[in-house]
Amino acid sequence: EPEVTQTPSHQVTQMGQEVILRCVPISNHLYFYWYRQILGQKVEFLVSFYNNEISEKSEIFDDQFSVERPDGSNFTLKIRSTKLEDSAMYFCACSRGEGTGTQYFGPGTRLTVL
Amino acid sequence: QQQVKQSPQSLIVQKGGIPIINCAYENTAFDYFPWYQQFPGKGPALLIAIRPDVSEKKEGRFTISFNKSAKQFSLHIMDSQPGDSATYFCAASLNRDDKIIFGKGTRLHILP
Repeated sequence: EPEVTQTPSHQVTQMGQEVILRCVPISNHLYFYWYRQILGQKVEFLVSFYNNEISEKSEIFDDQFSVERPDGSNFTLKIRSTKLEDSAMYFCACSRGEGTGTQYFGPGTRLTVL
Repeated sequence: QQQVKQSPQSLIVQKGGIPIINCAYENTAFDYFPWYQQFPGKGPALLIAIRPDVSEKKEGRFTISFNKSAKQFSLHIMDSQPGDSATYFCAASLNRDDKIIFGKGTRLHILP
């Protein structure tokens, strides 16, 4: 069964540094999402991406965040200047669209900001 | 309005028992209610989902009961097994391709 993959599995960075989290969604899927989960808390929506543009973003997704689908296969989340409170597990998800409903989640990238 | 409230926070059940996890929502525009299962170190995986025009859905040992008038839904796991030990999230979305709004999760432990 096709899977969503994410790299790296764990990223440690210093506060103020830029990080790029990478995802390879399932190949024929049309909708892409980023979620995050702070340790011990619920999974929170960050942004959705469809047809090469952001379709919705949460209030968490401020100007420090950006997303890109640079080559038709990868889907990236960039945090321009990381803060301590950005430490979390970041999940990429995708869905085929057409009302199918199922979002498939990747295994996540654990981001630790020191 | 956008929240999904989930209880209990944690649950311990003997093998073979029937754990029940309850959720409630406010926004009547929600049209899709998935349940996700998450094992440590893994991403959430869709377990079962229901639309509000259905009062119950079964898939294997997992059953969702849905009460539209009360704006509540619950997950029952029949004949629970130690392998079912995981965190379970109820969720809601406005439509099937929309963002998912998760509950806070229930950490379930099934005793052997």
